[in-house]
Amino acid sequence: GAGVSQSPSNKVTEKGKDVELRCDPISGHTALYWYRQSLGQGLEFLIYFQGNSAPDKSGLPSDRFSAERTGGSVSTLTIQRTQQEDSAVYLCASSSRLAGGAKNIQYFGAGTRLSVL
Amino acid sequence: DAKTTQPTSMDCAEGRAANLPCNHSTISGNEYVYWYRQIHSQGPQYIIHGLKNNETNEMASLIITEDRKSSTLILPHATLRDTAVYYCIVRVNSGGSNYKLTFGKGTLLTVNP
Repeated sequence: GAGVSQSPSNKVTEKGKDVELRCDPISGHTALYWYRQSLGQGLEFLIYFQGNSAPDKSGLPSDRFSAERTGGSVSTLTIQRTQQEDSAVYLCASSSRLAGGAKNIQYFGAGTRLSVL
Repeated sequence: DAKTTQPTSMDCAEGRAANLPCNHSTISGNEYVYWYRQIHSQGPQYIIHGLKNNETNEMASLIITEDRKSSTLILPHATLRDTAVYYCIVRVNSGGSNYKLTFGKGTLLTVNP
């Protein structure tokens, strides 16, 4: 597609339920990132996928969080047994393998606003 | 990544040029300057980047001083939709964990009618 697509745009869930957030990156982009942004806060890195390499999961806050990227394209972020502190906007970004400074450009989706009641 | 300093907030009249400064006095030779913005309730949006030459695209112009210790993002004809927080970032583009994007406080630009 033309840009990074995330779904759903909003998700309200009850504490203890599992949720799945989806990200469809820009076609041809090999790198995919998940971030979290709490109200009024900066970006919190969660996980990074690059091609067929092992993902960098160093930012996942607990083992309740997991992510996968199937076929090098669509990614799903899963949060099990959600807690109220998981409430945030979950952002997905993708980037290409272009050379030079352009390699660092991350294009973001609109995010999924997760509210855990 | 080199630290950046930006004013907390700025105001601009609609239709006028918005000039957003950024200081990055500790920038190293292989670090690029990137600008992003985040409109309320939206994801961050890439604007422009540069190494040492001035750059222009359909959104903005980037002026980098000769010593590269500061830069200015210029929105030539600001509109109400340009109201957002603008982030200046300096980063290398090779190796390490430089893919982890982090924003500072940024500048809240308010475009007034």
